[in-house]
Amino acid sequence: EIVLTQSPGTLSLSPGERATLSCRASQSVSSSYLAWYQQKPGQAPRLLIYGASSRATGIPDRFSGSGSGTDFTLTISRLEPEDFAVYYCQQYGSSTFTFGPGTKVDIK
Amino acid sequence: EVQLVESGGGLVQPGGSLKLSCAASGFTFSGSAMHWVRQASGKGLEWVGRIRSKANSYATAYAASVKGRFTISRDDSKNTAYLQMNSLKTEDTAVYYCTRKWIAAAGKGGFDYWGQGTLVTVSS
Repeated sequence: EIVLTQSPGTLSLSPGERATLSCRASQSVSSSYLAWYQQKPGQAPRLLIYGASSRATGIPDRFSGSGSGTDFTLTISRLEPEDFAVYYCQQYGSSTFTFGPGTKVDIK
Repeated sequence: EVQLVESGGGLVQPGGSLKLSCAASGFTFSGSAMHWVRQASGKGLEWVGRIRSKANSYATAYAASVKGRFTISRDDSKNTAYLQMNSLKTEDTAVYYCTRKWIAAAGKGGFDYWGQGTLVTVSS
């Protein structure tokens, strides 16, 4: 089973700053099968990025994804107040899916 | 408008059973793979399993943590997916979400629509 590790665990930033979130896989992941989600307290997750770098419908262009192989990155170019949340990466392989443990982006 | 509505959660004793339902509307349910994801209080997301469409032989797959205990099924005539949970353990306590797997192209996609979740508590 592919294990995903996310870093940092918590990222404390101010609105307007740039956020860089990392997702590392224990073995190579097809870029087609790497996604990122945002979750706010009391809400279901929201799909942000699929195929490692494609934005889902309605996702602002301040969100971008990149990476390949075992290292993937979610970047939020300028944090808006509504972006403070937990972010999860997810991969699909061999008929199973796994999520990373999440990175919490909170207000500094 | 796409909607996924889970139901059936509640309190159950260890070793007991529970069946969750996920009623879908607003999209072509029969053509979609449906997944279940759970989240224990204050913890991260855990994929539970999925069922594919009729075109993909209703194939199922499960996380190792639930394999042999949980069964996913669907009734396309009712636009509903199910999660049958048997031999429940205290560690199965979580909010259970159903979600749709959306495929854009060339296998790329993600879980684009989610229900509001239903709480399952396994406790004596």
